[in-house]
Amino acid sequence: GAVVSQHPSWVICKSGTSVKIECRSLDFQATTMFWYRQFPKQSLMLMATSNEGSKATYEQGVEKDKFLINHASLTLSTLTVTSAHPEDSSFYICSARAHVYEQYFGPGTRLTVT
Amino acid sequence: AQKITQTQPGMFVQEKEAVTLDCTYDTSDQSYGLFWYKQPSSGEMIFLIYQGSYDEQNATEGRYSLNFQKARKSANLVISASQLGDSAMYFCAMREGPGGFQKLVFGTGTRLLVSP
Repeated sequence: GAVVSQHPSWVICKSGTSVKIECRSLDFQATTMFWYRQFPKQSLMLMATSNEGSKATYEQGVEKDKFLINHASLTLSTLTVTSAHPEDSSFYICSARAHVYEQYFGPGTRLTVT
Repeated sequence: AQKITQTQPGMFVQEKEAVTLDCTYDTSDQSYGLFWYKQPSSGEMIFLIYQGSYDEQNATEGRYSLNFQKARKSANLVISASQLGDSAMYFCAMREGPGGFQKLVFGTGTRLLVSP
């Protein structure tokens, strides 16, 4: 089956620093990748849709300048949390679309900002 | 308005019993898709089953089946012969949007606990 990886799986950073999270489709090409955020005991909330070679489309209420998304190739998308603050602590999950109706999720990245 | 509604925050079932997790949805699209995902404590999202709006038969995948009632806009997940490893969060999701711009909208989830 299609495999999506995320790196790192968990990260702790100090307030004010930036953190980059990578999402890779390992055995397929993904023209579209999605970034979700999940708070404890809550559902997944879509943050943005990332299309290879073009600017990401952000959901309403998501700060574009804070959550920078780059979809550099058909197998890699990155999410950079800039000037992270404790309220940015969350579980970030990416997914990659192999076909129109198939979406595969990465294992997630747990971010803790101290 | 909530597009995916899961009214059961938690469900308990005994091992080897069947359990139904409820999901209702709201859409005006004619073409849509419904998914169920399992999220164990490790956090990964595991795809379980998919039902397309035009599929005439209910989807089945091993012990998982989807009870699709289009007129009622419900897509309940049935897990037969529950196992201890089925204990997890379960999310219902709907694919919305046109063509290549489709995205998933998730419900709030149901936590299933399977007891011995």
